[in-house]
Amino acid sequence: DTEVTQTPKHLVMGMTNKKSLKCEQHMGHRAMYWYKQKAKKPPELMFVYSYEKLSINESVPSRFSPECPNSSLLNLHLHALQPEDSALYLCASSQTTGGSITDTQYFGPGTRLTVL
Amino acid sequence: AQKVTQAQTEISVVEKEDVTLDCVYETRDTTYYLFWYKQPPSGELVFLIRRNSFDEQNEISGRYSWNFQKSTSSFNFTITASQVVDSAVYFCALSEGTGANSKLTFGKGITLSVRP
Repeated sequence: DTEVTQTPKHLVMGMTNKKSLKCEQHMGHRAMYWYKQKAKKPPELMFVYSYEKLSINESVPSRFSPECPNSSLLNLHLHALQPEDSALYLCASSQTTGGSITDTQYFGPGTRLTVL
Repeated sequence: AQKVTQAQTEISVVEKEDVTLDCVYETRDTTYYLFWYKQPPSGELVFLIRRNSFDEQNEISGRYSWNFQKSTSSFNFTITASQVVDSAVYFCALSEGTGANSKLTFGKGITLSVRP
């Protein structure tokens, strides 16, 4: 089973709202990722968690706040977003080997976010 | 820095035609991994194949085949007897190194349209 689930599928929010995106996997993977994808572009890495610790932050604005409550869950808290933050947000997970992150990343279906 | 080039941006074929999607990569590492992902209109990135830099053996999986040539830094993907369900955006990606901070670099993607 290589399933990564994401909720909600669609989200519309105003610039003053606070919302959260949720990602879940039950494959025993210890690395989890957030990507942002604009239309007709490849995914862009935002954050990486390895063994529940943040290992990579790609200089993402503080209005995006990741959280990894446990090895199966990854959240992305959103606050005071801008219209240009509208995009598809993809979560992925992979099984780390010896602390390295070179294993296959399995992606969820994404959350389509619209910021008004 | 690593780089992935997918020179083709859009390809349109008629059902049952064969089609090859090109991928050229640049890396200074001797250990790296190459991937192909499929992204249908629904948005989820579907893992297709992973190949490490020490394994140049070509692979066939049903109608899909991959040709990895280190001499030309290419990892091309062929779909034989294409079907309408193959219509999607296809991304080639490169992961370098074995450290905890290794990352996946995506090409810009190729939009494949298969007409009935």
